[in-house]
Amino acid sequence: QKEVEQNSGPLSVPEGAIASLNCTYSDRGSQSFFWYRQYSGKSPELIMSIYSNGDKEDGRFTAQLNKASQYVSLLIRDSQPSDSATYLCAVNFGNEKLTFGTGTRLTIIP
Amino acid sequence: GAVVSQHPSWVICKSGTSVKIECRSLDFQATTMFWYRQFPKQSLMLMATSNEGSKATYEQGVEKDKFLINHASLTLSTLTVTSAHPEDSSFYICSARDSSGSTDTQYFGPGTRLTVL
Repeated sequence: QKEVEQNSGPLSVPEGAIASLNCTYSDRGSQSFFWYRQYSGKSPELIMSIYSNGDKEDGRFTAQLNKASQYVSLLIRDSQPSDSATYLCAVNFGNEKLTFGTGTRLTIIP
Repeated sequence: GAVVSQHPSWVICKSGTSVKIECRSLDFQATTMFWYRQFPKQSLMLMATSNEGSKATYEQGVEKDKFLINHASLTLSTLTVTSAHPEDSSFYICSARDSSGSTDTQYFGPGTRLTVL
C-alpha cells in the first residue's frame, strides 16, 4: 500500500526561527510532491510543488526532495505567527490522485 | 495559482433532504476533479474522482447512490448528497486538477460546510 507519513506534531517554533517539516513516502517511483497549508476550518492551500531532487525555493519556503531516501521536507525561514497551521504533504504515486499525509500541526510562538 | 470556487460555502438542511454542491475551476479547464470530506480534527478523506464526460470513480466505502457526482463540463463538477442525515454533516472540499503546461497540480476550492439537522 502506498503511504505518506508525517509527524503529527504539534511542532512549536519561536517566531523568527526556521521551521522544518518532514515527510516520507513509500514508493520510490513517485514523481510529484506537494506541500499544502491548511488553516483551521479552511481548505488546503498549495504552498510548494517539487518534482526533481534537490531544493526549490519560493520566498521564505524551501522544499527539499531526496528520492533515494524517499524523503521530502519543507523549511520555513523567519517563521511568523501567521505560519501557524497544519501542513499537509501529498504525493502523486503515478495515478491522477494525491495521497496525503495526516499533516503536521505547526505553532509559531511569538 | 489557479482558482477553484465552491458554492454554497455553507448549508443547513433538514434530515431527508438533498443538497447540491458546485465546484468550478475559474481560470483553467479541469478534466478531473476530486471530492473530499473532512470531519473536525481529522485528515482529508477522498470520496471520489470525477472525470468530465464519464462516471465518477468512488473510493471504497463511499456510497455512490448517496453521493451523486456529475462532471458535465471542463469547469464544473457537482456533488449531490441525497437523503442527507446528521452523520453526513461535514466539511466537503473539491479540488481540480490542472494538467496544462509542464505541471500536474491539484487546487482546492474553499469548501462547503454541511450541517444536517
